Amino acid sequence: GAGVSQSPSNKVTEKGKDVELRCDPISGHTALYWYRQSLGQGLEFLIYFQGNSAPDKSGLPSDRFSAERTGGSVSTLTIQRTQQEDSAVYLCASSLGTVKETQYFGPGTRLLVL
Amino acid sequence: TQLLEQSPQFLSIQEGENLTVYCNSSSVFSSLQWYRQEPGEGPVLLVTVVTGGEVKKLKRLTFQFGDARKDSSLHITAAQPGDTGLYLCAATGPETGGFKTIFGAGTRLFVKA
Repeated sequence: GAGVSQSPSNKVTEKGKDVELRCDPISGHTALYWYRQSLGQGLEFLIYFQGNSAPDKSGLPSDRFSAERTGGSVSTLTIQRTQQEDSAVYLCASSLGTVKETQYFGPGTRLLVL
Repeated sequence: TQLLEQSPQFLSIQEGENLTVYCNSSSVFSSLQWYRQEPGEGPVLLVTVVTGGEVKKLKRLTFQFGDARKDSSLHITAAQPGDTGLYLCAATGPETGGFKTIFGAGTRLFVKA
């Protein structure tokens, strides 16, 4: 079956614009995660969904960041009024159920804010 | 705040050499994972270790979880160019707040042919 897909693969935007990043998890995976990876750094946890609800939003860096998941499937991460420090690779992962299950990652969206 | 510290940050070696990378923390974890990430891709899980002192082998890769479950190591025997990548350790569990997976900054390995 298909793996986790993300779109767009690359996004260049101007400071102050809003961006939407999309994640299509593996079919049947109820858990979905968003991470941010800055250049030369490890992954920073942003948010976790179980079904359509997000029990843990603690990783969102500011109120400019929001995420939603609909139909227990596709998720969108929205960054409003982008700043240069938002430039990073945004990775999505999905797993069958709880955090004990293996997380499968997508290839990421590379965001550059000019 | 739990931190996973990885060392070295960067390693460049010749094909055929052995190497060890480390993942250390001041916190105790119920499990630790090792991932490899190649350029332009997401991380791929290599192994999960759950028992203090546990040793797992995956072909030329040997993973060890410290007795106190605070640290882990990854040893690669006879490294090959295909081993090149970013090696990340990660932890998930009650210690990380339940739903959150925390990652180290990674060790970037380059194996020269």
